[in-house]
Amino acid sequence: SQTIHQWPATLVQPVGSPLSLECTVEGTSNPNLYWYRQAAGRGLQLLFYSVGIGQISSEVPQNLSASRPQDRQFILSSKKLLLSDSGFYLCAWRGRGTGELFFGEGSRLTVL
Amino acid sequence: QKEVEQNSGPLSVPEGAIASLNCTYSDRGSQSFFWYRQYSGKSPELIMFIYSNGDKEDGRFTAQLNKASQYVSLLIRDSQPSDSATYLCAVFVGYSTLTFGKGTMLLVSP
Repeated sequence: SQTIHQWPATLVQPVGSPLSLECTVEGTSNPNLYWYRQAAGRGLQLLFYSVGIGQISSEVPQNLSASRPQDRQFILSSKKLLLSDSGFYLCAWRGRGTGELFFGEGSRLTVL
Repeated sequence: QKEVEQNSGPLSVPEGAIASLNCTYSDRGSQSFFWYRQYSGKSPELIMFIYSNGDKEDGRFTAQLNKASQYVSLLIRDSQPSDSATYLCAVFVGYSTLTFGKGTMLLVSP
């Protein structure tokens, strides 16, 4: 069966520091991968999605970036965090031919 | 702009009652519809999906879709306190992504 893992689960970072969140999927190949952010009291905001290695589509221009160095690995990064980057970051995968997304456990980021 | 609208709630129902959660969407090209449950501090988990007009039942859950009215709903029968969570409606258009509503908080009181 397919599983998806994210880490770290929780992190507290100062403003201006870098960020790296990692996500890996097991049990499937060539999945579509997504990064969403959920800020306090707000809905899920799509940040990036990828249909293959090295292919990244950005939905929201900001100081975040994403990379997909391997088929089942998706990384979210920032060079300098802002206070507004605080939130719950969710990685998700979607299999070919299906519509539903399956989410990882999430990474809660607090920027101070 | 693709939009998915939900009442934020909270929707409060007593244990054993039917909870009715509603969602409207703006894009007539929407093809499939999903309901997710999200407990506080946790990631969303898929409850049901529906593609065709009408009803789809799975245990205590029933999803209802009316494409003409651009309306999708989720009924939870015999609500339990463990059903207390935020329910997210999501709509899939085309090939790319799911668009989520902001969610409705459901509170089931014992």
